[in-house]
Amino acid sequence: NAGVMQNPRHLVRRRGQEARLRCSPMKGHSHVYWYRQLPEEGLKFMVYLQKENIIDESGMPKERFSAEFPKEGPSILRIQQVVRGDSAAYFCASSRRDGDYEQYFGPGTRLTVT
Amino acid sequence: AQTVTQSQPEMSVQEAETVTLSCTYDTSESNYYLFWYKQPPSRQMILVIRQEAYKQQNATENRFSVNFQKAAKSFSLKISDSQLGDTAMYFCAFTFYSGGSNYKLTFGKGTLLTVNP
Repeated sequence: NAGVMQNPRHLVRRRGQEARLRCSPMKGHSHVYWYRQLPEEGLKFMVYLQKENIIDESGMPKERFSAEFPKEGPSILRIQQVVRGDSAAYFCASSRRDGDYEQYFGPGTRLTVT
Repeated sequence: AQTVTQSQPEMSVQEAETVTLSCTYDTSESNYYLFWYKQPPSRQMILVIRQEAYKQQNATENRFSVNFQKAAKSFSLKISDSQLGDTAMYFCAFTFYSGGSNYKLTFGKGTLLTVNP
């Protein structure tokens, strides 16, 4: 039973480019959370999605960041026009169903903006 | 707003000894969940132990146990018989039900634990 998959594991982008981070939840999981970990910091919540719905995006920066979780395929975190401050590790976690508080984390994507 | 505080940025312990990592939290919620996660150099987040606030009994998982003091809002992690593989960043985390099955986690800043041979 495969765990949460994230790709790419490492992503290098120049300032102004777009970054697309993918997350495939565990089989049977329909809830996805995205977290960001800045250097020397703990993880901070960004967005919570269920299939085809954004439930809570209170942690997302207002501009340049967007997320989706389509009916088919992985969840995508998209960062437009990246800046150096976007350099961080981005983690995805999934949970199984309504009322299930336990989250399973993917290995993360480390984004470096040059 | 919920906050989680880890007051020890770094700690070290000798192999086979016992170490305790501290965590305090602030919330007005009565039903919530607390976790300790381990992040080794690989950066993978690994769940070490969980505690439901409505349970009075402290959780244990093999060499890992917690001291949950609900009134004091304290949730410390004790690691017994420390092993070199325990070297990692340890994060305390909190969640509660905020509607719509949303259990977003709030993390502390972490404690870097080094186990010395």
